[in-house]
Amino acid sequence: LAKTTQPISMDSYEGQEVNITCSHNNIATNDYITWYQQFPSQGPRFIIQGYKTKVTNEVASLFIPADRKSSTLSLPRVSLSDTAVYYCLVGGDKIIFGKGTRLHILP
Amino acid sequence: DVKVTQSSRYLVKRTGEKVFLECVQDMDHENMFWYRQDPGLGLRLIYFSYDVKMKEKGDIPEGYSVSREKKERFSLILESASTNQTSMYLCASNRLAGVETQYFGPGTRLLVL
Repeated sequence: LAKTTQPISMDSYEGQEVNITCSHNNIATNDYITWYQQFPSQGPRFIIQGYKTKVTNEVASLFIPADRKSSTLSLPRVSLSDTAVYYCLVGGDKIIFGKGTRLHILP
Repeated sequence: DVKVTQSSRYLVKRTGEKVFLECVQDMDHENMFWYRQDPGLGLRLIYFSYDVKMKEKGDIPEGYSVSREKKERFSLILESASTNQTSMYLCASNRLAGVETQYFGPGTRLLVL
């Protein structure tokens, strides 16, 4: 199972673009990369998923280089309500949640 | 929208008690999961089930059992609760493991005294 490494915490300011990078050096050929967001006292919520190159939805973008050994979640123009823990997951048949990145948005 | 509900948001039990945590999903998902979440440790998989009456151990199954008698319901059982089982318990479901998004319930915060 591919293990992921991401920063423990990050701070940013309202209105800025935030990029959170995740390393997954031993990603397997059939593994997808998925990001979840979790607010305090709530279950994680799906943000975005991709296999390669770039994926964009109404919430975020996901950039995956050709070697797929890392990925970057990009949150455009963050607000205070984006303060949460963000999890990067890699897997096919089974996925493992890591410790996530605690993102704190400052006014 | 997919809805995953858990029977209690907060629960207080005493050491040695038998504890039942219930999870129900309304989207006819085959797969259901139980996680626990502790500060600094992230989410850890306890058990999962890919069909009625089927179950598989996750990473930390010790001290827990599960029951899946109906497709929509997945129960986590603490046979004899201990203080180290104080945690946030999260249930999730999806249609296909891994690639398919997991939908989570709101969680049950369990305190064992």
